[in-house]
Amino acid sequence: NAGVTQTPKFQVLKTGQSMTLQCAQDMNHEYMSWYRQDPGMGLRLIHYSVGAGITDQGEVPNGYNVSRSTTEDFPLRLLSAAPSQTSVYFCASSQTQGSATQYFGPGTRLLVL
Amino acid sequence: AQKVTQAQTEISVVEKEDVTLDCVYETRDTTYYLFWYKQPPSGELVFLIRRNSFDEQNEISGRYSWNFQKSTSSFNFTITASQVVDSAVYFCALSEGGSYDKVIFGPGTSLSVIP
Repeated sequence: NAGVTQTPKFQVLKTGQSMTLQCAQDMNHEYMSWYRQDPGMGLRLIHYSVGAGITDQGEVPNGYNVSRSTTEDFPLRLLSAAPSQTSVYFCASSQTQGSATQYFGPGTRLLVL
Repeated sequence: AQKVTQAQTEISVVEKEDVTLDCVYETRDTTYYLFWYKQPPSGELVFLIRRNSFDEQNEISGRYSWNFQKSTSSFNFTITASQVVDSAVYFCALSEGGSYDKVIFGPGTSLSVIP
């Protein structure tokens, strides 16, 4: 199993540009989530999904959209990037909801100029 | 609302010393889960332990041990005889019974083990 994969590993955007961060898992996990990591603030939950077709907001959802059309994929969309969205983004999945162990992807480092 | 506090931002120890990383949590639920994760300099997040609120037994895994005390809402992590490879950022996290969907992380403690 590849586990949780994320692409790209690194991306530079200009303010106002849009892009999609990809996340995929091959473990048939129902629960997937997106976090952003900023210095001194730990990981903050952006959006999560408890299964295909179901998504919900986390702590810091503004400026991000998600969808979950399949169990395997959970893309994160930035519609109009802002410098405040410069961060490292982690995708995670787990067999069940938050009580289970989460497996994290390697992260995507995003720089918005 | 759930909250996780890790008051120690950075800790430095000399190799072979013992070190304890503190974690204090807030929750209104009686059922919840606590986690510790390690993030080495390479950046990946590594799961270390999960503990549910009904199990207050301390746990030991090699040089790692965890002390869970509901009375003080703490879930502290001790590394015995620290090694350079233990240098990393350590995160404590919490998910509440009513919303297992959300796992909230603390700000992390950066541990440096000096040879």
